[in-house]
Amino acid sequence: KAGVTQTPRYLIKTRGQQVTLSCSPISGHRSVSWYQQTPGQGLQFLFEYFSETQRNKGNFPGRFSGRQFSNSRSEMNVSTLELGDSALYLCASSPVTGNEKLFFGSGTQLSVL
Amino acid sequence: GENVEQHPSTLSVQEGDSAVIKCTYSDSASNYFPWYKQELGKRPQLIIDIRSNVGEKKDQRIAVTLNKTAKHFSLHITETQPEDSAVYFCAASILTGGGNKLTFGTGTQLKVEL
Repeated sequence: KAGVTQTPRYLIKTRGQQVTLSCSPISGHRSVSWYQQTPGQGLQFLFEYFSETQRNKGNFPGRFSGRQFSNSRSEMNVSTLELGDSALYLCASSPVTGNEKLFFGSGTQLSVL
Repeated sequence: GENVEQHPSTLSVQEGDSAVIKCTYSDSASNYFPWYKQELGKRPQLIIDIRSNVGEKKDQRIAVTLNKTAKHFSLHITETQPEDSAVYFCAASILTGGGNKLTFGTGTQLKVEL
């Protein structure tokens, strides 16, 4: 089975722009979660989608949003980018919601200039 | 919400020695505690996990212990090898049908020296 695939691998944007990141889960996995990883804060939960519905949301501003499609692929969007949004964005999938085994993708490294 | 503290932030050991990483959590309802290993430039990978109904779990050279009363859990790596060098993250979660949400510690950079 192919692992969790995230695209693009790297992104460079400027302040004020918006960005969309993509995540394809492992085949058969229906839950997709997003995490932000920064050197100082570690991994912080953004949100989780299951069956196209947001199940959980972390403490991030409304500029961060996401969605999930019927094939379980997910996208997250960040609008009005700020310098502090520079981070590695990790996507993780699991077979069902509430299942403990998370499988992470390699992430999208976002740099905001 | 849940808060997870992890110590130490860096740990250097000699090859063959043991390494211990400790985490504390704040929400007594948390019932699932995984540990992830992240090598430089790679994705986090689950290495071991424990549920709150178990006090200890072992898998070859790694083990995790949980003290629910004190709300802390630890990762133990014995006979460390250079390939154990990585960042280790602990996490806590409340497993329900209501979704996946892991709260992570800030990570421990483990360096195994020859």
